[in-house]
Amino acid sequence: ILNVEQSPQSLHVQEGDSTNFTCSFPSSNFYALHWYRWETAKSPEALFVMTLNGDEKKKGRISATLNTKEGYSYLYIKGSQPEDSATYLCAFPDGANNLFFGTGTRLTVIP
Amino acid sequence: NAGVTQTPKFQVLKTGQSMTLQCAQDMNHNSMYWYRQDPGMGLRLIYYSASEGTTDKGEVPNGYNVSRLNKREFSLRLESAAPSQTSVYFCASMLATNTEAFFGQGTRLTVV
Repeated sequence: ILNVEQSPQSLHVQEGDSTNFTCSFPSSNFYALHWYRWETAKSPEALFVMTLNGDEKKKGRISATLNTKEGYSYLYIKGSQPEDSATYLCAFPDGANNLFFGTGTRLTVIP
Repeated sequence: NAGVTQTPKFQVLKTGQSMTLQCAQDMNHNSMYWYRQDPGMGLRLIYYSASEGTTDKGEVPNGYNVSRLNKREFSLRLESAAPSQTSVYFCASMLATNTEAFFGQGTRLTVV
């Protein structure tokens, strides 16, 4: 069982604010790092799959960076909107294709 | 393209009853997973199957059994349900570590 930690646990921001969260994972035996967006009463949906140290991915106002040597990834949201309210999960696969999730960061964007 | 299909969506069981949650994927994925979602604890892995014919315990396997019937299907069985198993259960599948996982719609299970 691999330890995947996310912080903060929850976050409230005003509409238009930019924000970021952290995912920490074991820095040895790295295969990939996944980010998912999970809206209430729905299923998680993938945002990014990152595989290389220094990777930066972007989808609209959401972007992510990866540092495999120190074992962390940041997810950024620029100009938060109420529709960005969701729980953001990161996941770390091991060599046996087991997929471990962090506990998530619950984002609430206040209009 | 159906993706990951999970049934049932809702279920209420009495303590001691048994049931099987069904999951099927049509994306030819190798790996399949069962998770449970509990407040403040994110998704916890119950069992996973890296390929057809293999299954392995995850973080919280006690009280559950699984079957990887073929490459498409991965079922989760509760032999004797307990109130502690009240949760939302998600099935997921993934082709490889460098590709995204896809999730079923979830099963909300209540054990009374």
